[in-house]
Amino acid sequence: QSALTQPPSASGSPGQSVSISCTGTSNDVGGYNHVSWYQQNPGRAPKLMIYDVTKRPSGVPDRFSGSKSGNTASLTVTGLQPEDEADYYCSSFAGENYPWVFGVGTKLTVL
Amino acid sequence: EVQLVESGGGSVQPGGSLRLSCAASGFNFKKFWIHWVRQTPGKGLVWLSRIDGDGSTIRFVDSVMGRFSFSRDTAQNSVYVQMNSLREEDTAMYYCVRGGKYEWDAFDIWGQGTMVIVSS
Repeated sequence: QSALTQPPSASGSPGQSVSISCTGTSNDVGGYNHVSWYQQNPGRAPKLMIYDVTKRPSGVPDRFSGSKSGNTASLTVTGLQPEDEADYYCSSFAGENYPWVFGVGTKLTVL
Repeated sequence: EVQLVESGGGSVQPGGSLRLSCAASGFNFKKFWIHWVRQTPGKGLVWLSRIDGDGSTIRFVDSVMGRFSFSRDTAQNSVYVQMNSLREEDTAMYYCVRGGKYEWDAFDIWGQGTMVIVSS
């Protein structure tokens, strides 16, 4: 199982919107609606931001949203804020007998 | 407070062994899948294994087959990973992570991690 493809970096100014893509295959992202996104700040454990493609856990701002088309999922952050600067990882379930797969991570910079 | 606390990390020479523990609190431990995820310094996340609520179903990546074994003690609200024949490439932060009722549920609670360094 290969890692999911993410752009190494993304950036935007405060108040702008930015999207981060996550590309897999029909065996993972395209085959299941179990894509999740995690935010990781330096020296900290990841934090769940989006699950099941579009759902937001309690406490996550509604500026964060998720979507999927075919084998590619996306995380969109609208109204960027300085505290959104972090690494973001996508992940997908790939079947009962297969490992979960993570993306390689995207560093989001708020300019 | 819902919490996962890992312990047991440290420095070990190649070929050595370590046993990591993860203690859960604040939730009904038997109802959740628990996963192990590791992160190489400065690199991305890699999923290692998942174990179901009663420890009867365990899945793991091929790269640790025959070297790592995973277990769960519901009486102690803990999960464990016994790591043998450690290699330098096993150097990483190891996270214990809570899944959900189903094995396709996302990872909503992460421990703080325990660092494993394999070096001669």
